[in-house]
Amino acid sequence: GQNIDQPTEMTATEGAIVQINCTYQTSGFNGLFWYQQHAGEAPTFLSYNVLDGLEEKGRFSSFLSRSKGYSYLLLKELQMKDSASYLCALNTGFQKLVFGTGTRLLVSP
Amino acid sequence: DSGVTQTPKHLITATGQRVTLRCSPRSGDLSVYWYQQSLDQGLQFLIQYYNGEERAKGNILERFSAQQFPDLHSELNLSSLELGDSALYFCASSVQGDTEAFFGQGTRLTVV
Repeated sequence: GQNIDQPTEMTATEGAIVQINCTYQTSGFNGLFWYQQHAGEAPTFLSYNVLDGLEEKGRFSSFLSRSKGYSYLLLKELQMKDSASYLCALNTGFQKLVFGTGTRLLVSP
Repeated sequence: DSGVTQTPKHLITATGQRVTLRCSPRSGDLSVYWYQQSLDQGLQFLIQYYNGEERAKGNILERFSAQQFPDLHSELNLSSLELGDSALYFCASSVQGDTEAFFGQGTRLTVV
């Protein structure tokens, strides 16, 4: 099976940088996704890491280290609209996504 | 708009009843996935279909079943409903393995 851990909640200030961590235990996986989910809405795709290293996409970057069982999502220049849950998910094969319970990010002025 | 359509958006029903949730994937997507999200809980993978065939199964109860039709739309059937089945049910679709999955807006099921 798979086990995914994320902090339950984080707070940060507008304009700041925040790093949301995701640690996992799994026997194997194809890649790791990050999704954003506003309350009551559908998750939306942020990034997908297959290889180790950093993937940058505008204000958001995602990092993966397979040897350490670790990923993080880095959000820069935080905006109020970034207040949402951030979900880490393992692609265990043929798009069977196993999600963590998510990290609720609260951005304050 | 992700291109994935789920109906109905909201559903209120009584315990013991049966409901059917419907999902139309994005045009061209062969894979359909169903997820359950209870209040303040993470997304739980239920089941995946690929081109009409069941591909993977997660923590899906025996009271729940699903299918994918030749036109690639999918239905999730929930029977003998219990209060604990109240949740958001999301459908997602993707072209095939190892590509981004797009989520529908979900069906909010309330069992009373």
